[in-house]
Amino acid sequence: GQQVMQIPQYQHVQEGEDFTTYCNSSTTLSNIQWYKQRPGGHPVFLIQLVKSGEVKKQKRLTFQFGEAKKNSSLHITATQTTDVGTYFCAADGGSQGNLIFGKGTKLSVKP
Amino acid sequence: DAGITQSPRHKVTETGTPVTLRCHQTENHRYMYWYRQDPGHGLRLIHYSYGVKDTDKGEVSDGYSVSRSKTEDFLLTLESATSSQTSVYFCAIRRPDFNEQFFGPGTRLTVL
Repeated sequence: GQQVMQIPQYQHVQEGEDFTTYCNSSTTLSNIQWYKQRPGGHPVFLIQLVKSGEVKKQKRLTFQFGEAKKNSSLHITATQTTDVGTYFCAADGGSQGNLIFGKGTKLSVKP
Repeated sequence: DAGITQSPRHKVTETGTPVTLRCHQTENHRYMYWYRQDPGHGLRLIHYSYGVKDTDKGEVSDGYSVSRSKTEDFLLTLESATSSQTSVYFCAIRRPDFNEQFFGPGTRLTVL
């Protein structure tokens, strides 16, 4: 079945450094979503990308969807301790709104 | 958050016992989902529902059953719990005209 590969699995950064997580698919995606899960919490929707080459920004977060719609990235500029958590990408599973989640990137930020 | 509650929030049970987890929503949305989350595996879909009495299997449905007799409630049952079903279980809903999913707080289940 469809899979979404996400790398890296873990990322440890010093506060103020940048962070990027990548999501890749072998098939063309209709859209891609990003979620954040704080430690001990539940996943929370961040954004959805639909168009080829789309770039969206939310404050220090920049989301990109590849031209071929097979990859996506989330970049955080100047990380803060509030950015700690696991970031997941999710692709349309093609049936009844199902989502296929990547395995996530766990971000830790050292103050 | 989208009016989703899960019960119980924590449960410890023994191998072989039946367990039912409940997901309740206050907004009467059609689509509801059950996921399990395990280290290194991310979120995996167990079952989903697209209306009352309309359910279907997800990626990891073996050993689980679901029921939806009312719009607001989606039940996940482990008929005979096994240690491999120790996990955190999340329920989610999808609002009409939106593609994103909204998650409940989760249930941490330990099977001894």
